[in-house]
Amino acid sequence: DARVTQTPRHKVTEMGQEVTMRCQPILGHNTVFWYRQTMMQGLELLAYFRNRAPLDDSGMPKDRFSAEMPDATLATLKIQPSEPRDSAVYFCASGRGNNPGELFFGEGSRLTVL
Amino acid sequence: QQQVKQSPQSLIVQKGGIPIINCAYENTAFDYFPWYQQFPGKGPALLIAIRPDVSEKKEGRFTISFNKSAKQFSLHIMDSQPGDSATYFCAASMGGTASKLTFGTGTRLQVTL
Repeated sequence: DARVTQTPRHKVTEMGQEVTMRCQPILGHNTVFWYRQTMMQGLELLAYFRNRAPLDDSGMPKDRFSAEMPDATLATLKIQPSEPRDSAVYFCASGRGNNPGELFFGEGSRLTVL
Repeated sequence: QQQVKQSPQSLIVQKGGIPIINCAYENTAFDYFPWYQQFPGKGPALLIAIRPDVSEKKEGRFTISFNKSAKQFSLHIMDSQPGDSATYFCAASMGGTASKLTFGTGTRLQVTL
């Protein structure tokens, strides 16, 4: 049963701490997306990669957020330093580049910054 | 600038009713319009999708109607069931090999007995 795996599922941290969220895309998928979901903003695209190369990270606050794909089986999203306004659910999604729009989402990482 | 506008924000229908969720887009370069369904505590999952060369697509109880000239599309759920209670997101992308989805703000649907 192929699925996107995200860790941690829940994270509570204090303001100023570093947070790293990890994502294992579905094997064979070459496009990986990071979305953030809040009640106010809905689903916002933070960054996405194709074949491990970053294509667009314009939705991401550059001063504190960074996204990488060290290899094809791992994508990371790091926040340093974290702030209360970063509290949200962060979703990773993967897809095949030749099948636009059909993204497979993980179950998300719920982040609470106190 | 929000590129996909979705309404209503929430919707309550009785079992068997036909909820309709509407979306409008601005960017005429969009050429792929999926709908995603999200249950509490889960990630969104693709429900049904349409391309602008057709005006309607039906899969089971779910139907997308598409109006290219008006730049609008909608989701209809026939014979709605309590199990359909979820949040529904419309989305749009420009296709190609590196398409990113722009999502609407979501509609929380509740189907009552």
